[in-house]
Amino acid sequence: DAGVIQSPRHEVTEMGQEVTLRCKPISGHNSLFWYRQTMMRGLELLIYFNNNVPIDDSGMPEDRFSAKMPNASFSTLKIQPSEPRDSAVYFCASNTGEVGGELFFGEGSRLTVL
Amino acid sequence: RKEVEQDPGPFNVPEGATVAFNCTYSNSASQSFFWYRQDCRKEPKLLMSVYSSGNEDGRFTAQLNRASQYISLLIRDSKLSDSATYLCVPSPAGTYKYIFGTGTRLKVLA
Repeated sequence: DAGVIQSPRHEVTEMGQEVTLRCKPISGHNSLFWYRQTMMRGLELLIYFNNNVPIDDSGMPEDRFSAKMPNASFSTLKIQPSEPRDSAVYFCASNTGEVGGELFFGEGSRLTVL
Repeated sequence: RKEVEQDPGPFNVPEGATVAFNCTYSNSASQSFFWYRQDCRKEPKLLMSVYSSGNEDGRFTAQLNRASQYISLLIRDSKLSDSATYLCVPSPAGTYKYIFGTGTRLKVLA
């Protein structure tokens, strides 16, 4: 079975540009999570969805960040405009939505903003 | 107090040694817990789940102390391949908010 699929795996962009990260969760999973990982702050939860509905976006750092989940098999995380401090690895994870269920992570998108 | 706290390490241990990490959590309502392993430049992967007082899987043992609100991970007979960062995360109580600790880095030395 395919796992969580993220794209792009690597992105290098210049400050001010728009960045769109994509995620396809595991088929049948009802919950989707976006995390950001840096050396300084570790793995931070940005936003999570349940049945395509955003439940908690309190981790989204600024209005420059937005996330959507138009259907059960696709989500995007957009940064506009990007800044150098946004450089990080962005992980998408999904699970079945059951209480206490394991999270399954994608391979991550490594973003570098120059 | 942070929701989840871990000693960042690194823990440098020789091959064959036994090493233990602790993870403290603040939400006493959490019922289950997970240890994830993350290799350098890779995604976190589930190592072990803890639903009651503890769990054992080969060389790995996880123990839960609800009174003191911490979980521990014990690795016996360390292998070079155990070198990684170990992240703990309590299962969210009443929400879907999985908050990870910052992780403990382990280096097993030849």
